[in-house]
Amino acid sequence: DIVMTQTPLSLSVTPGQPASISCKSSQSLLHSDGKTYLYWYLQKPGQSPQLLIYEVSSRFSGVPDRFSGSGSGTDFTLKISRVEAEDVGVYYCMQGIHLPPTFGQGTKLEIK
Amino acid sequence: EVQLVQSGAEVKKPGESLKISCKGSGYSFTSYWIGWVRQMPGKGLEWMGIIYPGDSDTRYSPSFQGQVTISADKSISTAYLQWSSLKASDTAMYYCARLEYPAPDYWGQGTLVTVSS
Repeated sequence: DIVMTQTPLSLSVTPGQPASISCKSSQSLLHSDGKTYLYWYLQKPGQSPQLLIYEVSSRFSGVPDRFSGSGSGTDFTLKISRVEAEDVGVYYCMQGIHLPPTFGQGTKLEIK
Repeated sequence: EVQLVQSGAEVKKPGESLKISCKGSGYSFTSYWIGWVRQMPGKGLEWMGIIYPGDSDTRYSPSFQGQVTISADKSISTAYLQWSSLKASDTAMYYCARLEYPAPDYWGQGTLVTVSS
């Protein structure tokens, strides 16, 4: 299985400040079809996960533009330009290039 | 509006069987894979397997092969996850999700399964 490693595992951010989460995969997520199958999810407290970013950098419907994704190959980053109180929860990266899909361990975002 | 509605919480004893459900609406149920994800208490997300309701093609993660059965009834737009003999270690929240292959885009609300003697 492809191993997804996230850092940091937790971060505490002042509202209005930026935040960044790194995700590294044990194999390249670039498919022969030209797409890179890396996704970001947020699981807010007591809720189901929700899709934020698909294929590295595309925002899912309704996701605020303060969220952005970047990276290539095996190294990826999720950035929040200005953290808001509603952004608290656990962020997961996920690879979809090989079955079974695998998630990172999760990064818990708290508000200072 | 795409919706996945899961069956309610269950409390079972070790050795009992269980089947939980996930009903899709607001989209063509037979045209998208459905996946099941386990989240043990205080832990992360684990893929269990996926099914394509159009033809019932099913794939299991190696960790869950032989431990659970995934099925679907396309006539009622419902996918299922079942156990023949529950263990205490099956205690977890279980999510179904629609896949915009290969990734989930819409998720159910989760079904909490508690297995305790």
